[in-house]
Amino acid sequence: NAGVTQTPKFRILKIGQSMTLQCAQDMNHNYMYWYRQDPGMGLKLIYYSVGAGITDKGEVPNGYNVSRSTTEDFPLRLELAAPSQTSVYFCASSYSSTDRSYEQYFGPGTRLTVT
Amino acid sequence: DAKTTQPNSMESNEEEPVHLPCNHSTISGTDYIHWYRQLPSQGPEYVIHGLTSNVNNRMASLAIAEDRKSSTLILHRATLRDAAVYYCILRDARGGSNYKLTFGKGTLLTVNP
Repeated sequence: NAGVTQTPKFRILKIGQSMTLQCAQDMNHNYMYWYRQDPGMGLKLIYYSVGAGITDKGEVPNGYNVSRSTTEDFPLRLELAAPSQTSVYFCASSYSSTDRSYEQYFGPGTRLTVT
Repeated sequence: DAKTTQPNSMESNEEEPVHLPCNHSTISGTDYIHWYRQLPSQGPEYVIHGLTSNVNNRMASLAIAEDRKSSTLILHRATLRDAAVYYCILRDARGGSNYKLTFGKGTLLTVNP
């Protein structure tokens, strides 16, 4: 299993540009998440999904959009990029485990700079 | 969400045990205690979780106070690879959002050779 994969690894955007961060998992997990992590801070939840076709806002959703058309993929769309969106973005997935851990598996992250 | 308090940083020496504390005085009866860690330039990874009893796995041990207002993550023999930010997180097992985690700033563990 590849686990959770994210592309690209790095990206520089100009203010006002748009892009999509890709996330895929091959573990058949029903839950998926997008987080951002600013320097020296913990992770903040942007959006999450409990299954294909179902998404919901997290703590910091403004400026982002998501879709979940398949179990495997959960892309994050940035519209009209702003310097405040400079961050490292992590995608994660989890499932309903019998040990009730809901252990989240994280991707390697995408480092985004908006200038 | 119930909050946790962790020291900003801790240091240890290689091959010695490390005890990472976490205070969660407002914990509710349905909150699970989770620990994740984040190695440099990587995404977080699950370490351990528990509800009331102490827990052991191949990575670490989790000691939970009897009143559940605090817990301690124990690394039995620290290695250089254990240098990371360690997050103590409470997860509410009730309701429809019982799968979500809220990350704080965590504890930066430095391991000296």
